[in-house]
Amino acid sequence: SQQGEEDPQALSIQEGENATMNCSYKTSINNLQWYRQNSGRGLVHLILIRSNEREKHSGRLRVTLDTSKKSSSLLITASRAADTASYFCATGGGSNYKLTFGKGTLLTVNP
Amino acid sequence: NAGVTQTPKFQVLKTGQSMTLQCAQDMNHEYMSWYRQDPGMGLRLIHYSVGAGITDQGEVPNGYNVSRSTTEDFPLRLLSAAPSQTSVYFCASRTGYEQYFGPGTRLTVT
Repeated sequence: SQQGEEDPQALSIQEGENATMNCSYKTSINNLQWYRQNSGRGLVHLILIRSNEREKHSGRLRVTLDTSKKSSSLLITASRAADTASYFCATGGGSNYKLTFGKGTLLTVNP
Repeated sequence: NAGVTQTPKFQVLKTGQSMTLQCAQDMNHEYMSWYRQDPGMGLRLIHYSVGAGITDQGEVPNGYNVSRSTTEDFPLRLLSAAPSQTSVYFCASRTGYEQYFGPGTRLTVT
């Protein structure tokens, strides 16, 4: 069964606005990853945050992790039409062979 | 590097037919996995491998077989296709945490 669950399932915003997606998970983790999937394509790794980190930045992406609440959020600032995609959180990997994904958030950025 | 490649890109099968989805990676990654993606279900792990000669079942292994004779290749075999196997299949590989995905195979079983 999926470890992570993203919320909301779908999000529609205007270009230039910020987009926030959330991920909740069930068991303790060593790290959490976020991936993006453009329509009809494979997933692409965006960012990894370790369990001892609270916040991490990469360009217009900001990820937070709250291990006490077993939740993470992905913030995309100043969104662009090209950010339109599905976003997935994933847990596991490393020596835990199974990398499991949530069901994703579909983000639509309207020009 | 080509990364992770998958063939074919599209495939239509009749119920009961068998076929093999091909997956190859040129990054010398130890771990390889097969996922299926269905609307509203996200990605579900079918089988995975932690190295040549070693495979294990994921979340939804029934109806699928895998083998890993080389580091580079990880084919997925459908033994007797069923309409429930209509899906998009992704192969992926990694050496640490970051996973690299192939472009996917869209399979329709009629």
